[in-house]
Amino acid sequence: QVQLVQSGAEVKKPGASVKVSCKASGYTFTTYGISWVRQAPGQGLEWMGWISTYNGNTNYAQKLQGRVTMTTDTSTSTAYMELRSLRSDDTAVYYCARDSGSYHVLDNWGQGTLVTVSS
Amino acid sequence: DIQMTQSPSSLSASVGDRVTITCRASQSISSYLNWFQQKPGKPPKLLIYAASSLPSGVPSRFSGSGSGTDFTLTISSLQPEDFATYYCQQSYSTPRTFGQGTKVEIK
Repeated sequence: QVQLVQSGAEVKKPGASVKVSCKASGYTFTTYGISWVRQAPGQGLEWMGWISTYNGNTNYAQKLQGRVTMTTDTSTSTAYMELRSLRSDDTAVYYCARDSGSYHVLDNWGQGTLVTVSS
Repeated sequence: DIQMTQSPSSLSASVGDRVTITCRASQSISSYLNWFQQKPGKPPKLLIYAASSLPSGVPSRFSGSGSGTDFTLTISSLQPEDFATYYCQQSYSTPRTFGQGTKVEIK
């Protein structure tokens, strides 16, 4: 079955960087993209961006441009999301999701990774 | 950016009730509309894609309709496990924005 397993919770200081991993299994990694979505405590869902696992093309939310980098390692079927210059309002649960087809349907999700930014 | 507006923001309903949640896009998105269900402490779960398609394993009491700018999620007979927050999302263009969510609570 399709599984996306994310790395564990992180606590970071303002200005630091965090890199979250998302290991996929149960399907051919390079035939689906990966999107990243975050959710601040008690808040709604925010789309962060998408990466093609086939050729590495990316599309980032404008508000995160310059601070976020999404990459993949096809040899291990793992996607990564790095966020730099962390601020307190980056405190959130970060999810990866399999991005399927021309409708970009997020059909399978990781369990989430809590990133806490605090001095 | 395309704005997605859900209504209501919350609702109270009883088991067996028919529940309808609406989602409006700030511009036409054809049928590029998806619905998710989220329970506390869990990731979202895909309920409906392409406005009206049901993924395998999702109960048939869930249905979606609409195209263009106006969309609806209907639960035909609310079950205890359906109390959750529901989000719409447009996948027509980036950023692929979500609605603010609709919390369905027990009356």
